Amino acid sequence: DVVLTQTPPTLSATIGQSVSISCRSSQSLLHSNGNTYLHWLLQRPGQSPQLLIYLVSRLESGVPNRFSGSGSGTDFTLKISGVEAEDLGVYYCVQGTHAPMYTFGAGTKLELK
Amino acid sequence: EVQLVESGGVLVQPGRSMKLSCAASGFTFSSFPMAWVRQAPTKGLEWVATISTSGGSTYYRDSVKGRFTISRDNAKSTLYLQMDSLRSEDTATYYCTTVFYWGQGVMVTVSS
Repeated sequence: DVVLTQTPPTLSATIGQSVSISCRSSQSLLHSNGNTYLHWLLQRPGQSPQLLIYLVSRLESGVPNRFSGSGSGTDFTLKISGVEAEDLGVYYCVQGTHAPMYTFGAGTKLELK
Repeated sequence: EVQLVESGGVLVQPGRSMKLSCAASGFTFSSFPMAWVRQAPTKGLEWVATISTSGGSTYYRDSVKGRFTISRDNAKSTLYLQMDSLRSEDTATYYCTTVFYWGQGVMVTVSS
Protein backbone atom coordinates (compact mmCIF):
# COMPACT_ATOMS: atom_id res chain seq x y z
CA ASP A 1 0.00 0.00 0.00
CA VAL A 2 1.06 3.57 -0.67
CA VAL A 3 2.14 5.56 2.38
CA LEU A 4 2.28 9.36 2.32
CA THR A 5 4.62 10.93 4.87
CA GLN A 6 3.90 14.57 5.62
CA THR A 7 6.30 16.87 7.41
CA PRO A 8 6.30 18.77 9.62
CA PRO A 9 3.32 17.61 11.69
CA THR A 10 2.94 21.11 13.11
CA LEU A 11 3.96 24.44 11.68
CA SER A 12 3.97 27.71 13.62
CA ALA A 13 3.99 30.83 11.50
CA THR A 14 3.50 34.57 11.76
CA ILE A 15 1.21 36.45 9.42
CA GLY A 16 3.10 37.18 6.22
CA GLN A 17 5.64 34.41 6.70
CA SER A 18 6.21 31.92 3.90
CA VAL A 19 6.02 28.24 4.80
CA SER A 20 6.35 24.86 3.08
CA ILE A 21 4.91 21.43 3.74
CA SER A 22 6.48 18.24 2.39
CA CYS A 23 4.66 15.11 1.27
CA ARG A 24 6.70 12.05 0.38
CA SER A 25 5.22 8.91 -1.13
CA SER A 26 6.45 5.35 -0.65
CA GLN A 27 5.75 4.73 -4.34
CA SER A 28 5.86 6.86 -7.44
CA LEU A 29 2.65 8.78 -8.02
CA LEU A 30 3.20 9.09 -11.76
CA HIS A 31 0.28 7.32 -13.41
CA SER A 32 0.71 5.35 -16.62
CA ASN A 33 -1.42 8.00 -18.36
CA GLY A 34 1.21 10.65 -17.59
CA ASN A 35 -0.73 12.42 -14.84
CA THR A 36 0.35 12.61 -11.22
CA TYR A 37 -2.69 12.44 -8.96
CA LEU A 38 -1.32 14.22 -5.91
CA HIS A 39 -3.60 16.82 -4.39
CA TRP A 40 -3.61 19.12 -1.38
CA LEU A 41 -6.54 19.75 0.96
CA LEU A 42 -7.12 22.25 3.76
CA GLN A 43 -9.40 21.47 6.67
CA ARG A 44 -10.21 24.58 8.66
CA PRO A 45 -11.34 24.11 12.29
CA GLY A 46 -14.84 22.66 12.41
CA GLN A 47 -15.11 22.37 8.64
CA SER A 48 -14.87 19.65 6.04
CA PRO A 49 -11.77 19.40 3.85
CA GLN A 50 -11.57 21.59 0.77
CA LEU A 51 -9.44 21.19 -2.32
CA LEU A 52 -6.58 23.68 -2.71
CA ILE A 53 -4.34 22.18 -5.37
CA TYR A 54 -4.84 19.23 -7.70
CA LEU A 55 -2.53 17.32 -10.00
CA VAL A 56 0.52 18.54 -8.06
CA SER A 57 0.42 22.19 -9.05
CA ARG A 58 -2.97 23.24 -10.42
CA LEU A 59 -4.74 25.82 -8.28
CA GLU A 60 -8.41 25.09 -7.60
CA SER A 61 -10.76 27.85 -8.67
CA GLY A 62 -11.12 30.52 -6.01
CA VAL A 63 -7.96 29.55 -4.11
CA PRO A 64 -5.55 32.48 -3.60
CA ASN A 65 -2.37 32.37 -5.64
CA ARG A 66 -0.21 32.55 -2.51
CA PHE A 67 -0.69 28.77 -2.53
CA SER A 68 1.50 26.77 -4.87
CA GLY A 69 2.38 23.14 -5.34
CA SER A 70 5.37 21.44 -6.85
CA GLY A 71 7.12 18.11 -7.11
CA SER A 72 7.20 14.88 -9.04
CA GLY A 73 7.50 11.15 -8.58
CA THR A 74 7.60 10.68 -4.83
CA ASP A 75 8.42 14.14 -3.45
CA PHE A 76 5.94 16.98 -3.31
CA THR A 77 5.72 20.39 -1.64
CA LEU A 78 2.97 22.83 -0.79
CA LYS A 79 4.11 26.41 -0.31
CA ILE A 80 2.21 29.32 1.17
CA SER A 81 3.83 32.61 0.21
CA GLY A 82 2.67 34.94 2.95
CA VAL A 83 0.45 33.20 5.49
CA GLU A 84 -2.86 34.87 6.27
CA ALA A 85 -5.10 34.21 9.27
CA GLU A 86 -7.64 32.34 7.12
CA ASP A 87 -4.96 29.79 6.19
CA LEU A 88 -4.92 28.24 9.64
CA GLY A 89 -6.00 24.63 9.85
CA VAL A 90 -4.75 21.18 8.90
CA TYR A 91 -3.27 20.50 5.48
CA TYR A 92 -3.43 17.04 3.93
CA CYS A 93 -1.86 15.60 0.85
CA VAL A 94 -3.85 12.85 -0.87
CA GLN A 95 -2.95 10.51 -3.68
CA GLY A 96 -5.33 9.19 -6.32
CA THR A 97 -2.80 7.59 -8.64
CA HIS A 98 -3.33 4.26 -6.98
CA ALA A 99 -7.09 4.70 -6.80
CA PRO A 100 -9.57 3.27 -6.05
CA MET A 101 -7.65 3.17 -2.76
CA TYR A 102 -6.97 6.76 -1.77
CA THR A 103 -4.22 7.53 0.71
CA PHE A 104 -3.92 10.61 2.87
CA GLY A 105 -0.95 12.08 4.61
CA ALA A 106 -1.23 12.39 8.39
CA GLY A 107 -1.73 16.13 8.14
CA THR A 108 0.19 19.28 8.97
CA LYS A 109 -1.38 21.67 11.45
CA LEU A 110 -0.66 25.31 10.66
CA GLU A 111 -0.83 27.51 13.74
CA LEU A 112 -0.16 31.16 14.47
CA LYS A 113 3.07 31.82 16.33
CA GLU B 1 -22.67 24.95 -7.23
CA VAL B 2 -21.49 21.49 -6.23
CA GLN B 3 -23.21 20.11 -3.15
CA LEU B 4 -22.79 16.85 -1.30
CA VAL B 5 -25.17 16.48 1.62
CA GLU B 6 -24.78 13.51 3.93
CA SER B 7 -27.48 12.22 6.25
CA GLY B 8 -28.18 9.28 8.51
CA GLY B 9 -25.64 9.66 11.26
CA VAL B 10 -26.69 8.89 14.82
CA LEU B 11 -25.72 7.11 18.01
CA VAL B 12 -25.84 3.33 17.61
CA GLN B 13 -24.92 0.37 19.81
CA PRO B 14 -22.05 -1.94 18.92
CA GLY B 15 -23.13 -4.73 16.61
CA ARG B 16 -26.04 -2.76 15.16
CA SER B 17 -26.45 -1.35 11.64
CA MET B 18 -26.76 2.10 10.09
CA LYS B 19 -27.13 3.46 6.58
CA LEU B 20 -25.66 6.75 5.43
CA SER B 21 -26.87 8.66 2.38
CA CYS B 22 -25.27 11.41 0.35
CA ALA B 23 -27.33 13.55 -2.02
CA ALA B 24 -25.27 15.11 -4.80
CA SER B 25 -26.07 18.09 -6.99
CA GLY B 26 -24.33 20.63 -9.17
CA PHE B 27 -22.25 18.13 -11.16
CA THR B 28 -22.74 15.03 -13.30
CA PHE B 29 -22.87 12.49 -10.49
CA SER B 30 -22.87 9.47 -12.79
CA SER B 31 -19.53 10.51 -14.30
CA PHE B 32 -17.57 10.38 -11.04
CA PRO B 33 -16.31 7.50 -8.95
CA MET B 34 -17.42 8.24 -5.40
CA ALA B 35 -15.87 7.49 -2.04
CA TRP B 36 -16.55 7.55 1.67
CA VAL B 37 -13.76 8.93 3.86
CA ARG B 38 -13.94 9.04 7.65
CA GLN B 39 -12.26 10.99 10.39
CA ALA B 40 -12.20 9.72 13.96
CA PRO B 41 -12.31 12.43 16.65
CA THR B 42 -9.05 14.42 16.64
CA LYS B 43 -7.56 12.14 13.97
CA GLY B 44 -6.72 12.41 10.29
CA LEU B 45 -8.59 11.39 7.17
CA GLU B 46 -9.02 7.70 6.37
CA TRP B 47 -10.34 6.23 3.13
CA VAL B 48 -13.19 3.77 3.70
CA ALA B 49 -14.66 2.69 0.35
CA THR B 50 -14.90 3.61 -3.34
CA ILE B 51 -17.49 2.82 -5.98
CA SER B 52 -17.10 3.04 -9.74
CA THR B 53 -19.26 5.30 -11.90
CA SER B 54 -21.66 2.49 -12.80
CA GLY B 55 -21.65 0.97 -9.35
CA GLY B 56 -20.37 -2.29 -10.78
CA SER B 57 -17.08 -2.19 -8.89
CA THR B 58 -16.58 -1.52 -5.20
CA TYR B 59 -13.49 -1.38 -3.03
CA TYR B 60 -13.04 -1.32 0.75
CA ARG B 61 -10.36 -0.88 3.32
CA ASP B 62 -9.58 -4.14 5.08
CA SER B 63 -11.08 -3.15 8.42
CA VAL B 64 -14.57 -2.69 6.95
CA LYS B 65 -14.61 -5.47 4.34
CA GLY B 66 -17.57 -7.75 4.86
CA ARG B 67 -19.28 -5.24 7.18
CA PHE B 68 -19.77 -2.12 5.01
CA THR B 69 -21.43 -1.88 1.59
CA ILE B 70 -21.10 1.13 -0.68
CA SER B 71 -23.72 1.65 -3.37
CA ARG B 72 -25.12 4.38 -5.59
CA ASP B 73 -28.27 5.33 -7.44
CA ASN B 74 -27.27 7.44 -10.42
CA ALA B 75 -30.91 8.22 -11.25
CA LYS B 76 -31.22 9.87 -7.85
CA SER B 77 -27.65 11.22 -7.70
CA THR B 78 -27.27 9.57 -4.33
CA LEU B 79 -24.46 7.62 -2.68
CA TYR B 80 -25.00 5.19 0.18
CA LEU B 81 -22.99 3.41 2.84
CA GLN B 82 -24.61 0.48 4.62
CA MET B 83 -22.71 -0.23 7.81
CA ASP B 84 -23.33 -3.51 9.63
CA SER B 85 -21.77 -5.05 12.73
CA LEU B 86 -20.61 -1.64 13.86
CA ARG B 87 -17.70 -1.37 16.28
CA SER B 88 -16.57 1.39 18.59
CA GLU B 89 -13.59 2.01 16.30
CA ASP B 90 -16.03 2.97 13.51
CA THR B 91 -16.92 6.11 15.48
CA ALA B 92 -16.06 9.00 13.19
CA THR B 93 -17.34 11.75 10.96
CA TYR B 94 -18.07 10.21 7.56
CA TYR B 95 -17.57 12.29 4.43
CA CYS B 96 -18.98 11.66 0.98
CA THR B 97 -16.42 12.77 -1.57
CA THR B 98 -15.02 12.69 -5.07
CA VAL B 99 -11.75 13.81 -3.41
CA PHE B 100 -12.20 17.09 -5.27
CA TYR B 101 -15.61 17.80 -3.75
CA TRP B 102 -16.51 17.12 -0.10
CA GLY B 103 -19.73 17.00 1.88
CA GLN B 104 -20.10 18.58 5.31
CA GLY B 105 -19.82 15.18 6.97
CA VAL B 106 -22.10 13.16 9.22
CA MET B 107 -21.17 11.95 12.70
CA VAL B 108 -21.50 8.28 13.55
CA THR B 109 -21.06 7.29 17.19
CA VAL B 110 -20.91 3.62 18.11
CA SER B 111 -21.33 3.21 21.84
CA SER B 112 -23.35 1.26 24.37
